[in-house]
Amino acid sequence: NAGVTQTPKFRILKIGQSMTLQCAQDMNHNYMYWYRQDPGMGLKLIYYSVGAGITDKGEVPNGYNVSRSTTEDFPLRLELAAPSQTSVYFCASRDSGGASDTQYFGPGTRLTVL
Amino acid sequence: GESVGLHLPTLSVQEGDNSIINCAYSNSASDYFIWYKQESGKGPQFIIDIRSNMDKRQGQRVTVLLNKTVKHLSLQIAATQPGDSAVYFCAEKKGGGGNKLTFGTGTQLKVEL
Repeated sequence: NAGVTQTPKFRILKIGQSMTLQCAQDMNHNYMYWYRQDPGMGLKLIYYSVGAGITDKGEVPNGYNVSRSTTEDFPLRLELAAPSQTSVYFCASRDSGGASDTQYFGPGTRLTVL
Repeated sequence: GESVGLHLPTLSVQEGDNSIINCAYSNSASDYFIWYKQESGKGPQFIIDIRSNMDKRQGQRVTVLLNKTVKHLSLQIAATQPGDSAVYFCAEKKGGGGNKLTFGTGTQLKVEL
């Protein structure tokens, strides 16, 4: 299994541009999450999904959108990039069954908005 | 321990010594806690977890202690190695939909040779 994969690894955007951060997992996990991590800080939850077709806001959803059309994929969309969205973005997934609440993370996408 | 702000608290230990990283959590109703290790430029990596019905759990060279009375969590690393150098985060699951985790700000562990 590749686990959780994210593309791209790095991206520079100009203010007002849009982009989609891709996230995929091959573990058949129902739960998926998007976080952002600012320098020297912990992770803040942007959006999450408990299954295909179901998404919900996290702690910092403003300026972002998500969709979940398949179990495997959970893309994060930035419509009008702003400097405040400069951050490292992590996607994670979790199995909805079983006894574990562990979330498994991808390698991250480093985004700079200039 | 963990704190809010731009400067991560740092713990420096000698190679071979034991490390103790502390975390204060906020919600007495949290029922699950987890420690992650994050190396520079990488995503968080699961280390160990514990449920609120336990007060201690051991893994390979790592032990997590949970003190629900004072809402305190600690991670002990035995015989610390250079490869243990990283930022360590604790997280709690507060309940509610989605099994969401709330993360602390992290502690930088530096292992000195």
